[in-house]
Amino acid sequence: DIQMTQSPASLSASLGETVTIECRASEDIYNGLAWYQQKPGKSPQLLIYNANSLHTGVPSRFSGSGSGTQYSLKINSLQSEDVASYFCQQYYDYPWTFGGGTKLELK
Amino acid sequence: EVQLVESGGGLVQPGRSMKLSCAASGFTFSNYGMAWVRQAPTKGLEWVATISYDGSSTYYRDSVKGRFTISRDNAKSTLYLQMNSLRSEDTATYYCTRERYYRGYYVMDAWGQGASVTVSS
Repeated sequence: DIQMTQSPASLSASLGETVTIECRASEDIYNGLAWYQQKPGKSPQLLIYNANSLHTGVPSRFSGSGSGTQYSLKINSLQSEDVASYFCQQYYDYPWTFGGGTKLELK
Repeated sequence: EVQLVESGGGLVQPGRSMKLSCAASGFTFSNYGMAWVRQAPTKGLEWVATISYDGSSTYYRDSVKGRFTISRDNAKSTLYLQMNSLRSEDTATYYCTRERYYRGYYVMDAWGQGASVTVSS
């Protein structure tokens, strides 16, 4: 199975700040990676797919980058509604696997 | 608007069975692969199973292989997950997801609200 290591596990940032979340795959996943946002008590919502493509309706302050085994999610100009948990997920090979998640809070 | 509505969750004893359903609307169900993803309380996400648009192909994680069966009824726009020989470690919220094809990959682009399954005596 492909292991997805996500960091940091938690993050505290101020409004307007730029934050970056990292995800490392145990092998090359050829950009087969998505990022999801999950707010408390809600289901996950797709933000980024294929490593760097913004899903429909997602604000442009979210962006994804990376290749090979290293990927990142960047949130520019942090807003209060961005407080949530974020997960990466590889779909290059079965079983699809997720990172452990990053809990983003406001400082 | 894409809608996925799960049902059938609840409390079940270890070793017993339970069947989850997911009613889809707002899109042509028979054109999309579908999947189940679960999340144990305060834990991360875990992919469970996938079924192709026509039901001809299915994929499972090892821990549920032989116990869970994913299926679909395209005439009813409904996805199912039959869970047998349930264990305490199957306790989780189960999400129904739609898989959309994006340039070489299938991406889970829509999620239901989830169905809670608790396995306990």
